Order: sequence, then structure tokens, then C-alpha cells
Amino acid sequence: SYELTQPPSVSVSPGQTARITCSGDVLSKQYAIWYQQRPGQAPVSVIFKDSERPSGIPERFSGSSSGTTVTLTISGVQAEDEADYYCQSADSRGTWVFGGGTKVTVL
Amino acid sequence: EVQLVQSGSEVQKPGESVKISCKGSGYSFSNYWIGWVRQMPGKGLEWMGVIYPDDSDTRYNPSFQGQVTISADKSISTAYLQWTSLKASDTAMYYCARRAGTTPGLRFFDNWGQGTPVTVSS
Repeated sequence: SYELTQPPSVSVSPGQTARITCSGDVLSKQYAIWYQQRPGQAPVSVIFKDSERPSGIPERFSGSSSGTTVTLTISGVQAEDEADYYCQSADSRGTWVFGGGTKVTVL
Repeated sequence: EVQLVQSGSEVQKPGESVKISCKGSGYSFSNYWIGWVRQMPGKGLEWMGVIYPDDSDTRYNPSFQGQVTISADKSISTAYLQWTSLKASDTAMYYCARRAGTTPGLRFFDNWGQGTPVTVSS
């Protein structure tokens, strides 16, 4: 099996930029996906294939990849972006894994 | 509109069995993988496994293999997750979700059910 490591929490002021990292060896070979989960709701994908945005996701969400680390960037953070964020990937055998999650707090 | 509607909450005793469901609509149910994700109280997401309804090809997370059974009935566009002997540690929210596509770049869930809470307590 493999692991994806995220920081437990990130705090950011409204209008500033939040960056969340996700690290794991598999990320050098496989795509990463990012999900947003607001309290009491099901997750929603906000980035797939490292940097692509599903339709309906605001442009302030972007993703990037470098080696074994991927980064979710939220530019111009809004209060509604306060949520848990999870990265996810899959190995070559088709086993998926989620990172431990990062709680984003908007100050 | 793609929709995944899950069955209602379950409260069961240890040792009992339960089967929860996930009904898809608004797309060709047979041709998209459906997965299950566990979220224990206050914890993160865990990938349990996926099934391809057209031929019932199923893949499990090794951590859940033998603990649960994933199945599907394509005739009624419904996937299932079942336990034969529940434990208190199975208490969690369970989500079904649709895989976005079959290519390697689409190994993610693009639509989710609302979740089914399962509580196991004596």
C-alpha cells in the first residue's frame, strides 16, 4: 500500500491565498485529485488530473504538481471555502487512497 | 442530472447483518464504476472498493477485503454494501460515489450519494 500525507490544518484570512500540500511517492507517477468536504456534506471534487477543474468549480481553485508533491491553491479565499480538503490518488494496480485531510479555517 | 440516492440510516447490534443501497439515475448506470467510501466519526475518507455494474467486476481495498461485500444489480441501477456480522468499529458514514470514467486519468469520484449513517451498538 502507499500513503498520502497532508498537513492537518491550514489557516488563512479572507482574500488571502491558501496552499495545501499532499505528498506521496505514487504522485510522481499517478494523477492527484482534490475533494472539498463541508461539514455535514458529501465530498465534492474540485481538482482532478493534478490541475484540471470540474465544471462549476470556481477559478480560484487551482492545482499543481512537482515530483512527489501536489498542491491545491485557493486564491482569494472566501468564508465558504472553510472545509476539509482531501487529496486522492490511485496506484497502478487500481487501489485508491485518500490523504488524511486538511482542515482549512478562514479567520 | 446524475443522482445517487442512498438508503436511510441503520442502527444495528453487533453480530447482525445489514445491506445498504445506492440507486443511480440520470446516466447509464451499467457503464460507470461505483465505489464505497467510509468516514468514521470525526475522521477522514477511506476507499473501500469499487464495482463495475455491467459485469460485477469488483475491486477491494485490502483493508476491507473479507469484511464487506460490494454488489450491484444493473437491472434496477442499484449498488449495495453489506456486512454479515457487524462490529462496533463499523459505526461510520458510508458514501457511494460514481467513478468519473474508465481511463486512468479519471480514477476519481465525480458524483456522490448523500451518505448512509450506520450505527452499531449493543
